[in-house]
Amino acid sequence: AQKVTQAQTEISVVEKEDVTLDCVYETRDTTYYLFWYKQPPSGELVFLIRRNSFDEQNEISGRYSWNFQKSTSSFNFTITASQVVDSAVYFCALSESGRSGSRLTFGEGTQLTVNP
Amino acid sequence: GAGVSQSPSNKVTEKGKDVELRCDPISGHTALYWYRQRLGQGLEFLIYFQGNSAPDKSGLPSDRFSAERTGESVSTLTIQRTQQEDSAVYLCASRSTSGSRETQYFGPGTRLLVL
Repeated sequence: AQKVTQAQTEISVVEKEDVTLDCVYETRDTTYYLFWYKQPPSGELVFLIRRNSFDEQNEISGRYSWNFQKSTSSFNFTITASQVVDSAVYFCALSESGRSGSRLTFGEGTQLTVNP
Repeated sequence: GAGVSQSPSNKVTEKGKDVELRCDPISGHTALYWYRQRLGQGLEFLIYFQGNSAPDKSGLPSDRFSAERTGESVSTLTIQRTQQEDSAVYLCASRSTSGSRETQYFGPGTRLLVL
């Protein structure tokens, strides 16, 4: 069975601090995809990044960066110089291959609060 | 282009009543998913549609839940004889089968409250 664990339920930082959100996953699939979504107070899930299991290159997009390590089954997300607008719930998710057509298994989410 | 849309945004109903939730996927997206998000929790998969194939209903929590999809367009999720435990946000997502094939794009959700 697939499983995604986000051990940090809530994180609170002060603006301009760097913050890392942890994600650990379990899967028996050899081919899979990992995702991060942001859910601001408005409730809509916003897609941030997709990474496939064959690509362990780290990625940087502006203030966001992602560290994928297959050896530790982790896909961590770092926000550099956090801003108040980054306050949201962040979900890590894993796609499940097969008949379910890449249905997503989500972690429980990490509530990030960035204080001014 | 337009994203995934859902209606209604909010629904308050009495226990025992039936409700119908609607999802309009992104045009051209053949795959459509329904998820449920209980307060303070992650999303749970409910059902998946892909073109004209039989839907994957393995995530539906009980036979009070059903969903339909007409071709590659609108989908409706129906909950019969609602219970208080059905209170949640119901999210719809669609996915392309070309380009970024693995990415699901979500609608704003329907917040259901069963009194």
